[in-house]
Amino acid sequence: AQTVTQSQPEMSVQEAETVTLSCTYDTSESDYYLFWYKQPPSRQMILVIRQEAYKQQNATENRFSVNFQKAAKSFSLKISDSQLGDAAMYFCAYRLFLTGANSKLTFGKGITLSVRP
Amino acid sequence: KAGVTQTPRYLIKTRGQQVTLSCSPISGHRSVSWYQQTPGQGLQFLFEYFSETQRNKGNFPGRFSGRQFSNSRSEMNVSTLELGDSALYLCASSGRSGGSYNEQFFGPGTRLTVL
Repeated sequence: AQTVTQSQPEMSVQEAETVTLSCTYDTSESDYYLFWYKQPPSRQMILVIRQEAYKQQNATENRFSVNFQKAAKSFSLKISDSQLGDAAMYFCAYRLFLTGANSKLTFGKGITLSVRP
Repeated sequence: KAGVTQTPRYLIKTRGQQVTLSCSPISGHRSVSWYQQTPGQGLQFLFEYFSETQRNKGNFPGRFSGRQFSNSRSEMNVSTLELGDSALYLCASSGRSGGSYNEQFFGPGTRLTVL
């Protein structure tokens, strides 16, 4: 079974600074997706960034980037130029790659990020 | 394009009752998944439906069931409610993109409180 571990329950960052959120996962599969989701106090889950395991290049989305280390099964999220609106709970998630509909996401426990003004 | 909608947004029930939650996916999406979110267990996968068929099921008791209609709308039902069923229930839909279903869009959730 696949597992996702986020060992840091809380982190804090100064506005405009950079913060890295850690995630490790365990799987015996070679083809999969990894995601970071953001859940603000409204509870609406928002996709931040996605990484396909077969791609060696790390994904980036504006101020968000990942460090994907497949051999180490590590998938960290870097948030640059942190903004007050980045304060939320962040979840790392894994999904097996299968053609057709296979949407089961396995989530980590999440990390609460606070941003200090 | 309208997002995923879930109704009701809040619900209060008592132990032993049953409840039905509804989810309308993004137009054109045929896959609907349900998740339970609690402070203790985090986010756990309940089940996934695609074209009215259950494709995948999480490790939940038989009191949790679901279905999907021909218009892709989905309902989940919890019978004989227990206090531990109090949770945020999230629905997510996905559609084909480049030959695979690789991104899920979440609804705002239904907050269920069991007294």
